[in-house]
Amino acid sequence: EVQLVESGGGLAKPGGSLRLSCSASGFTFSTYTMHWVRQAPGKGLEWVSSINSDSRYTYYADSVKGRFALSRDNARGSLFLQMNSLRADDTAVYYCARDTSRRAGFYYYYYMDVWGKGTTVTVSS
Amino acid sequence: QSALTQPPSVSGSRGQSVTISCTGTSSDVGSSNHVSWYQQPPGTAPKLVIYEVSDRPSGVPDRFSGSKSGNTASLTISGLQAEDEADYYCSSYTSSSTYVFGTGTKVTVL
Repeated sequence: EVQLVESGGGLAKPGGSLRLSCSASGFTFSTYTMHWVRQAPGKGLEWVSSINSDSRYTYYADSVKGRFALSRDNARGSLFLQMNSLRADDTAVYYCARDTSRRAGFYYYYYMDVWGKGTTVTVSS
Repeated sequence: QSALTQPPSVSGSRGQSVTISCTGTSSDVGSSNHVSWYQQPPGTAPKLVIYEVSDRPSGVPDRFSGSKSGNTASLTISGLQAEDEADYYCSSYTSSSTYVFGTGTKVTVL
């Protein structure tokens, strides 16, 4: 079964740090681009960051650029989000999501086809 | 990276059709066919229901359909069912190799 399981959420103080993990199973993790998407309480989805299959390219939302760092360990099937300089508005459920990473000839598909259940991050003093 | 614009809510009776709009710019929705839609019942993770504007993943009922014109994409749910009650989000891949989500629409089945 294809599965993504997030962990590492919890309570952090403003200015503090947390490291989220996402453990993948049931598919060849090393061939997929991966994402983090967050959802603040009562709010909509916000794309946070993505990393391609070989870690050559990482992208970040402006709201987290310079504070968050995305990495992966293909040997362990794991994705990591290092969150520094945390702010109250980083409070959210953080979802790990798989990009389809599918292509047909020269056409590339872009959408998130598998999601984890999320881990909750609360930033408060 | 402004969120795509969706109506906050739409409603319909069982069996009716509802359509949710998703308006972006020429840098996201208007730049490609990489528009997808996600269904999120309360307290659960999002689930893909439409990708590449109008394609349905296996297992998604054919009452879900998508379209796009210019900078606006749309999701139509035909023959509304009670289990369709959820929040729906559009998403687009952008010309900057990032993603942007819509503001979300709550679908209520009367």
